[in-house]
Amino acid sequence: NAGVTQTPKFQVLKTGQSMTLQCAQDMNHEYMSWYRQDPGMGLRLIHYSVGAGITDQGEVPNGYNVSRSTTEDFPLRLLSAAPSQTSVYFCASSGRVGGRDEQFFGPGTRLTVL
Amino acid sequence: AQKITQTQPGMFVQEKEAVTLDCTYDTSDPSYGLFWYKQPSSGEMIFLIYQGSYDQQNATEGRYSLNFQKARKSANLVISASQLGDSAMYFCAMREGGGGADGLTFGKGTHLIIQP
Repeated sequence: NAGVTQTPKFQVLKTGQSMTLQCAQDMNHEYMSWYRQDPGMGLRLIHYSVGAGITDQGEVPNGYNVSRSTTEDFPLRLLSAAPSQTSVYFCASSGRVGGRDEQFFGPGTRLTVL
Repeated sequence: AQKITQTQPGMFVQEKEAVTLDCTYDTSDPSYGLFWYKQPSSGEMIFLIYQGSYDQQNATEGRYSLNFQKARKSANLVISASQLGDSAMYFCAMREGGGGADGLTFGKGTHLIIQP
């Protein structure tokens, strides 16, 4: 049971390049989400998904796309990277177990855009 | 208005003392959940404790307890018998609505340093 996995751990991009951050969970959770964390800040929600085929925007969605073709996977795409997207990205998986909410995070991806 | 407010940017505490980290929240939704996470210098987000708005009792998880005062919209984290390994950033977060669908709103965190 790996929980939430993210790849890569580190990435450096040039302005204008595209890339996909991968996220997978094995907890059979319905809900998955992406956050970014900037220095000295808490996490801010980018996009989330309530199930396969269903996604919606969070607080800071501009410049990012997501899709959810399976329950397990929730990739985040940067179509044209900008320096403002330099951040640490966390994927999370959440559900309701035994009447309690639970939300677990992946280890994070540190992205630098030059 | 901020939805989650953590008023202590940093705290120094002596080892073995109890610690209270403050968190106040703002929501008009009757159904919500409150979470606390620990983020050590290695960067991962570690889930500590959860409190639902309809839970009758304060949540406890080992050395962690949540002092939930609904009328005051307060959800303080209490760490008993602090240890050096408790040094980290601590984030309070809230989910509004039922089912966990809409993601969490985070506070800006408290940097806790435990001194020997």
